Amino acid sequence: DAGVIQSPRHEVTEMGQEVTLRCKPISGHNSLFWYRQTMMRGLELLIYFNNNVPIDDSGMPEDRFSAKMPNASFSTLKIQPSEPRDSAVYFCASSLDRGLRRKETQYFGPGTRLLVL
Amino acid sequence: AQTVTQSQPEMSVQEAETVTLSCTYDTSESNYYLFWYKQPPSRQMILVIRQEAYKQQNATENRFSVNFQKAAKSFSLKISDSQLGDTAMYFCAFMKKTSGTYKYIFGTGTRLKVLA
Repeated sequence: DAGVIQSPRHEVTEMGQEVTLRCKPISGHNSLFWYRQTMMRGLELLIYFNNNVPIDDSGMPEDRFSAKMPNASFSTLKIQPSEPRDSAVYFCASSLDRGLRRKETQYFGPGTRLLVL
Repeated sequence: AQTVTQSQPEMSVQEAETVTLSCTYDTSESNYYLFWYKQPPSRQMILVIRQEAYKQQNATENRFSVNFQKAAKSFSLKISDSQLGDTAMYFCAFMKKTSGTYKYIFGTGTRLKVLA
């Protein structure tokens, strides 16, 4: 298996531009997670989906952030408009949820390094 | 609220030696999972080991093992025979699921440097 695939790996953009990050989870996994990592705040869970449905988006910082999962093999995280404070590494992770006692581990993608100038 | 604390921001160890990274957490739950993730300079997050709270036996994965003390809410990671490739940030993480909602909480990490 190729693992979790994220694109782009690096993104540099100007303040005010729209940024779209993409994620392809591991085939067969039914849960998908978006994280943000910064030096100041560490690793933060932004949102997660279960069976393509957003379950908890309480970590999404503000309305400029949105996430979608149109099908089981693809998800996007969009920032519009982007701001310099959005600069971070954004990770996507997936797992197979078969109930708490059979919870599978999250597998992380390589991350997208976003720099907003 | 659940919290995860890693009290050692940085540690170093000589190659081939053993090192223990500490992690404590706070929760009122009885069923949960604990994880250690490794993040090398490439920034990718790699699962090292996981522990189910309902299991008393400590998890082991080759050179990696944990000391899980449920009553003390402690979950330390021991790395035996340290290798240069073990140099990385190590994150302790807590996960539980209630009412169909997952809760993942990560510690702030410990930067481990293995010295030649």
